[in-house]
Amino acid sequence: DAMVIQNPRYQVTQFGKPVTLSCSQTLNHNVMYWYQQKSSQAPKLLFHYYDKDFNNEADTPDNFQSRRPNTSFCFLDIRSPGLGDAAMYLCATSRGGGQETQYFGPGTRLLVL
Amino acid sequence: KQEVTQIPAALSVPEGENLVLNCSFTDSAIYNLQWFRQDPGKGLTSLLLIQSSQREQTSGRLNASLDKSSGRSTLYIAASQPGDSATYLCAVNSSGNTGKLIFGQGTTLQVKP
Repeated sequence: DAMVIQNPRYQVTQFGKPVTLSCSQTLNHNVMYWYQQKSSQAPKLLFHYYDKDFNNEADTPDNFQSRRPNTSFCFLDIRSPGLGDAAMYLCATSRGGGQETQYFGPGTRLLVL
Repeated sequence: KQEVTQIPAALSVPEGENLVLNCSFTDSAIYNLQWFRQDPGKGLTSLLLIQSSQREQTSGRLNASLDKSSGRSTLYIAASQPGDSATYLCAVNSSGNTGKLIFGQGTTLQVKP
């Protein structure tokens, strides 16, 4: 049973064309995270939502935005993708409180042409 | 600033060998440490979570240890199998309730039949 679902699994976009990646969860977890993982690199946290509270990492470019319309869904919007934004984007969830396991989705691989 | 390092970057062993993967972190004030497995082009699968008050956790053929004072964790894999081939990532939570994880770059393991 899928617990953290990401759509699409592969996304191709053009330089500068806005793109939205989707994440949903069936765990009813309070916290949802978005990580960026470039080839052969460690995942890097972009931002997270604790319930409705949005927390942006200091070094996340303004080009990246996020929305969480309800507990189950969270979206990553890239307003003007550049070639350097090509990466795997990973969504994760946790109950909250910091002591729990984070559960990851399968990721969306973004290609920018 | 917390930094996480994993050595070696790559490891190749024959099937059946016991092996140890290493993870070190610079700031010992952590809440927990998590080991993940990542198959090529896929998301992360949680293997073991060790709370800061714990010394080790075991799951099947996997055993993870934590020495906070020295800033080290090891993942021990017993009787390795070709199906264990993957990249293993350790991640540290130094942020408490937010659960923000700082990842190492991973060790890519190949188990040869």
